[in-house]
Amino acid sequence: EAQVTQNPRYLITVTGKKLTVTCSQNMNHEYMSWYRQDPGLGLRQIYYSMNVEVTDKGDVPEGYKVSRKEKRNFPLILESPSPNQTSLYFCASSSRGFAFMNTEAFFGQGTRLTVV
Amino acid sequence: GDSVTQMEGPVTLSEEAFLTINCTYTATGYPSLFWYVQYPGEGLQLLLKATKADDKGSNKGFEATYRKETTSFHLEKGSVQVSDSAVYFCALLNNDMRFGAGTRLTVKP
Repeated sequence: EAQVTQNPRYLITVTGKKLTVTCSQNMNHEYMSWYRQDPGLGLRQIYYSMNVEVTDKGDVPEGYKVSRKEKRNFPLILESPSPNQTSLYFCASSSRGFAFMNTEAFFGQGTRLTVV
Repeated sequence: GDSVTQMEGPVTLSEEAFLTINCTYTATGYPSLFWYVQYPGEGLQLLLKATKADDKGSNKGFEATYRKETTSFHLEKGSVQVSDSAVYFCALLNNDMRFGAGTRLTVKP
C-alpha cells in the first residue's frame, strides 16, 4: 500500500530538548516536503527536498532542520524546540516534483507536537 | 507570490443541504488547482483536481470548475451527508504547492 508514514503521531516535549520527527514514503517519490498546520493559517511549508541531498527552505524554516540522505526518508529536526513550534506537522511526498502539472501530493497522518 | 484564499468557516449545514466553499487564487502562469479533505485525526487526501482553465474536477459528488477569468475554484456538492464533515483545503500547484487556510464543515443529521 502506497503511504507516507510519520512518527511519532503525538509528542509532548520541553523547551530546548532536541527532537526528530521521522517521515518515510514507499512510493519512490523524488519530492518530499514538511508543513505545519495552525488554526487560521492553513498549511505552511517548512522545508522541501527535490531529491536526495537536495533540500531548500519553504516559507517558515526558522527553528527547523531537515536532511535527505536517502530517497525514502525525510526527517524533520528541531534542535531547540520552543513553545511557538507547538503545531500539527505533516509530511508530504510527490513524484517528479511540483514543477510538473497533474502531480498529486500524498500526506502522512500528521504529528501533533506540544512544546511546554 | 502565489496564494490561495478560502472562505472562512466553520460551515454548519443540515444533511442534504447544498454546499459551496469559495476559493480564489493569485498566481502567475497556469497553476493546477486542487481540493484536499482532512477527516478528523487523519492527513490530507486529494478530493479532486483541475489542471487547466474550464476543467471540472469531480469526486464523491463534489465538483469544482477552474475559472481563470475569475481566478476561482469553488467547491460544490448538491446534497451533503454527515460523513462529509471534515476540513477542506483549496490548493494550487505552480512552482510550489500553496494551501488555503482550510474550511471546517460540519453536517448535522
